Amino acid sequence: KAGVTQTPRYLIKTRGQQVTLSCSPISGHRSVSWYQQTPGQGLQFLFEYFSETQRNKGNFPGRFSGRQFSNSRSEMNVSTLELGDSALYLCASSLGLAGGYGEQYFGPGTRLTVT
Amino acid sequence: SQKIEQNSEALNIQEGKTATLTCNYTNYSPAYLQWYRQDPGRGPVFLLLIRENEKEKRKERLKVTFDTTLKQSLFHITASQPADSATYLCAPVSGGSYIPTFGRGTSLIVHP
Repeated sequence: KAGVTQTPRYLIKTRGQQVTLSCSPISGHRSVSWYQQTPGQGLQFLFEYFSETQRNKGNFPGRFSGRQFSNSRSEMNVSTLELGDSALYLCASSLGLAGGYGEQYFGPGTRLTVT
Repeated sequence: SQKIEQNSEALNIQEGKTATLTCNYTNYSPAYLQWYRQDPGRGPVFLLLIRENEKEKRKERLKVTFDTTLKQSLFHITASQPADSATYLCAPVSGGSYIPTFGRGTSLIVHP
């Protein structure tokens, strides 16, 4: 069974630009969660989508948004990029909700650098 | 505010010994707690989940304990191997929000 895939793996953007990251979950998984990982803050929850609906949202500004398609693939968008948005963005999929008793499967992440 | 604490300093041990990692939490009532392993440049990999009504959980060389009174979980790796070297993250899950909240992780280095 193929794992969680994320594209692109690396990205360099300029402050003020916007970026879209993509995540394909494991086949059959309906939940996709997004996390931001930085050395200073660790792994922080951004939001979760389940069956095309946002079910949970972390404490991030509205510049961070996402969506999920009918095939469970998900995209995350960050508008008006700031230097502090430089991070590893991780996507995780699970059969049920991320907060359920099942495990999450993480993708390799997208390394975003904002200059 | 909710706080999750894991040893920030790396844990160095000799091969064959038992590694014990600590996860403490405050202002938190997790319904359960997960442990993940993360290697450099990779996403975390799920290891174990323990529920609030469970004291201990085992999987091969791994053992997790959960003490809701002490607000602490301990993660043990017995007969450690150099391949166990990685960062280990704990993630309590609140019964209210059901959002996993990750600690910053503890780096484990197993020396041959």
